[in-house]
Amino acid sequence: DAGVIQSPRHEVTEMGQEVTLRCKPISGHDYLFWYRQTMMRGLELLIYFNNNVPIDDSGMPEDRFSAKMPNASFSTLKIQPSEPRDSAVYFCASSLTGLGNQPQHFGDGTRLSIL
Amino acid sequence: LAKTTQPISMDSYEGQEVNITCSHNNIATNDYITWYQQFPSQGPRFIIQGYKTKVTNEVASLFIPADRKSSTLSLPRVSLSDTAVYYCLVGDWGTGGFKTIFGAGTRLFVKA
Repeated sequence: DAGVIQSPRHEVTEMGQEVTLRCKPISGHDYLFWYRQTMMRGLELLIYFNNNVPIDDSGMPEDRFSAKMPNASFSTLKIQPSEPRDSAVYFCASSLTGLGNQPQHFGDGTRLSIL
Repeated sequence: LAKTTQPISMDSYEGQEVNITCSHNNIATNDYITWYQQFPSQGPRFIIQGYKTKVTNEVASLFIPADRKSSTLSLPRVSLSDTAVYYCLVGDWGTGGFKTIFGAGTRLFVKA
């Protein structure tokens, strides 16, 4: 059964460009999470959705970051304009419910490099 | 928010049992304790979860004392492929919200 699918796996772009990361959660999962991982800060929760509705975006670093979930099977994380400090691995995860006993299933991430 | 503390790194040899302890002194009544494993270039992968006492699956065991202020992940007979980062998480509900906090994790290095 298919897991969480992220695309692209790698993205290299120049500072100032718009970057869009994509995620397809596991079918039937109600919660979707976006994380960012860096060596310095570890794994940080950026935003999460419940039934396509953003619930908590307090982890989004600044207004340059935005996330949408137009339907239950697709979400995007957009950075505009991108900066070198945005370089990181971005993970998407989904869970069946938001209950504490429901594990999150992660994709393999998008490695983003901003030059 | 519940915060976890784990050793930064551990070394072991193939075939040994590895125990990684996580402290979570501020765990709340509704919180579950969940462990994830992460290999390089991959996302974290769920290993095991528990609420109290002991839980065992085909991969690991999780020991949780009565006060739930700590937990221990036990990996029996590790192999080289168990070299990874292991994260201990405590589910924190907050008020009307849901957050789990990934700490720095424990980097386990298994040697031949």
